[in-house]
Amino acid sequence: LAKTTQPISMDSYEGQEVNITCSHNNIATNDYITWYQQFPSQGPRFIIQGYKTKVTNEVASLFIPADRKSSTLSLPRVSLSDTAVYYCLVGGPNTGGFKTIFGAGTRLFVKA
Amino acid sequence: KAGVTQTPRYLIKTRGQQVTLSCSPISGHRSVSWYQQTPGQGLQFLFEYFSETQRNKGNFPGRFSGRQFSNSRSEMNVSTLELGDSALYLCASSLGQSRDEQYFGPGTRLTVT
Repeated sequence: LAKTTQPISMDSYEGQEVNITCSHNNIATNDYITWYQQFPSQGPRFIIQGYKTKVTNEVASLFIPADRKSSTLSLPRVSLSDTAVYYCLVGGPNTGGFKTIFGAGTRLFVKA
Repeated sequence: KAGVTQTPRYLIKTRGQQVTLSCSPISGHRSVSWYQQTPGQGLQFLFEYFSETQRNKGNFPGRFSGRQFSNSRSEMNVSTLELGDSALYLCASSLGQSRDEQYFGPGTRLTVT
């Protein structure tokens, strides 16, 4: 199973753009990259998923370089409510799905 | 569409007892996964059920078991509870393909004394 490495924590201020990078050096050809957000005492919530290059939705962008050994979640203009833990998952049809390894996640703290 | 529901939300048990947790997935979802979350170990995968069959299993002892019913509802059982089993137990449902988005429930907070 592809192992992921993320920074343990990050601080930011309201209105700034935040980029969280995840390393996944042994990503397999069929693996996708998915990011989840979790608030205290709640279950994780899906943010975005991608396979290569760039994916954008209404809340975030996901940048994946050509070698796919890392990915960067970009949160534009964060607010206090974006304070949460962000998890990067890597998996696919041949790696037991996306359900196995969440990792420690990155704790983002947004300050006023 | 109703979200994933878990019952009970809070539970206090004594060492040696057993406990059963319940999860109702989103209508139409056939996959249900269970996770244990603790401050020390983070979010750890327990097992996944799809169409009443266990499809994936994490690295937990046999005291942890589960099942899924024909209506996709799932139960998780922990026997001979230990203090270390105190955790937030999360259930997640999805349509069933391996890269499908998972929808998590609010969790059951289990405290073992």
